[in-house]
Amino acid sequence: DAGVIQSPRHEVTEMGQEVTLRCKPISGHDYLFWYRQTMMRGLELLIYFNNNVPIDDSGMPEDRFSAKMPNASFSTLKIQPSEPRDSAVYFCASSTGLAGLNEQFFGPGTRLTVL
Amino acid sequence: AQSVTQLGSHVSVSEGALVLLRCNYSSSVPPYLFWYVQYPNQGLQLLLKYTTGATLVKGINGFEAEFKKSETSFHLTKPSAHMSDAAEYFCAVSDRITGGFKTIFGAGTRLFVKA
Repeated sequence: DAGVIQSPRHEVTEMGQEVTLRCKPISGHDYLFWYRQTMMRGLELLIYFNNNVPIDDSGMPEDRFSAKMPNASFSTLKIQPSEPRDSAVYFCASSTGLAGLNEQFFGPGTRLTVL
Repeated sequence: AQSVTQLGSHVSVSEGALVLLRCNYSSSVPPYLFWYVQYPNQGLQLLLKYTTGATLVKGINGFEAEFKKSETSFHLTKPSAHMSDAAEYFCAVSDRITGGFKTIFGAGTRLFVKA
C-alpha cells in the first residue's frame, strides 16, 4: 500500500532558479498539507488543502511560494525565485476525515538546498 | 491561541531506562493531542493520539502518554528504552477553529539512547 509520495527526494539549485516540489497523497485522503522543517524554526505548516481547495495558506512565507492541487492525486509547491534561506526539508502529508483530529501521513520529504 | 511546549530539546537515556518526554499545551477548548516520531531521513509517523475518553493512551513500540487536563500536559513515556527508539519526537495539538482546524507541532525532542 503506497504511502505519500514526494519527488524529488533531493534538490540542489542555485539562487534565483525556480523549484517545483511534487506530492502524491494517499488515495482517498481529502486533506493535503505542506510543511517546511528547519533546525531554526522546526516544523512549520505552510498550506493545506481540503478536496483540492486551499483552506489556509497563512503559513506561506511570501509571494515567492505558491501551491496548487489540480486534482485529488497531485499537488505542487513552487518557489520562484529561490533563495538560500529556503533551504530546508519540505514534507507533504495527507489525512482523511476531520483533519486535525485524525492522523496525518507524512511523505519522506524533499531536501532542498539553494546555493 | 494554541501552543505546544516540549521541555528539553535533547534527552539522553541508557538502554533499558525509563523514557520520559515532556509536553505541555495550551488550548481554548478540549484538545486533540498527538505524539509523532521522526527517524533520520524520514517523515513523521504517528505514535499515539488522545481525542476523548481514557486519559492513558497506548501507542506503538511500547510508548504511552497520559492526558492530564489539570496540568495541561501530555507526557510520553516508555518503561524501557531500546536503541531503536533513538529518534526525534514531536508533540502536537489540534483545535477546531472557525472555518477549519489548526494543528501545531512542538519544537521536537531528540532522544539519544546509550548502550
